[in-house]
Amino acid sequence: DTAVSQTPKYLVTQMGNDKSIKCEQNLGHDTMYWYKQDSKKFLKIMFSYNNKELIINETVPNRFSPKSPDKAHLNLHINSLELGDSAVYFCASSRLRWETQYFGPGTRLLVL
Amino acid sequence: AQKVTQAQTEISVVEKEDVTLDCVYETRDTTYYLFWYKQPPSGELVFLIRRNSFDEQNEISGRYSWNFQKSTSSFNFTITASQVVDSAVYFCALSEPTGANSKLTFGKGITLSVRP
Repeated sequence: DTAVSQTPKYLVTQMGNDKSIKCEQNLGHDTMYWYKQDSKKFLKIMFSYNNKELIINETVPNRFSPKSPDKAHLNLHINSLELGDSAVYFCASSRLRWETQYFGPGTRLLVL
Repeated sequence: AQKVTQAQTEISVVEKEDVTLDCVYETRDTTYYLFWYKQPPSGELVFLIRRNSFDEQNEISGRYSWNFQKSTSSFNFTITASQVVDSAVYFCALSEPTGANSKLTFGKGITLSVRP
């Protein structure tokens, strides 16, 4: 019954590794997002997809690559992880871009 | 450009006190949406309320109430008779439906601690 789900919930890895986070929503929404929440709790949008099409890319390093195989899934792949990538990453979805966004539980990434 | 300011960073109250969380926004659009989200210590982001710019009616939901005032560009959130379970970070957010890059802009959040 989970509306927006993310896996994994925790991710601990070494600098330089490549990792992926998966997101799925069963709300039938057209738009999905990735956010990064830093240690000060500031939430910043990274990417937004609408019907599998990238519509927002907020000056994120190109080591981050989102992929949307269908409108219910939006995955985030991160290459060459750096210490500064340590954060909580949230996936979200909404019916329309300006409407209420529903968030996944977050993925806590720690880069050592 | 849209902007959301939550000037209070941390608030600490004793249980049963009333507390108001302030939110001030900036936008050039006449049509926009305002939101509040709650992030409890467990970390998930929980949607609380959405208001559109054409509806200035205040809203009450149990111990929660919201005061939307376009004249002061504010959308404040009051918790009446606070409880320990209200301890969380509360985010105010704004979205504008126009423009190709319509997105949700969050304030920096207010950490509310309710002490027993």
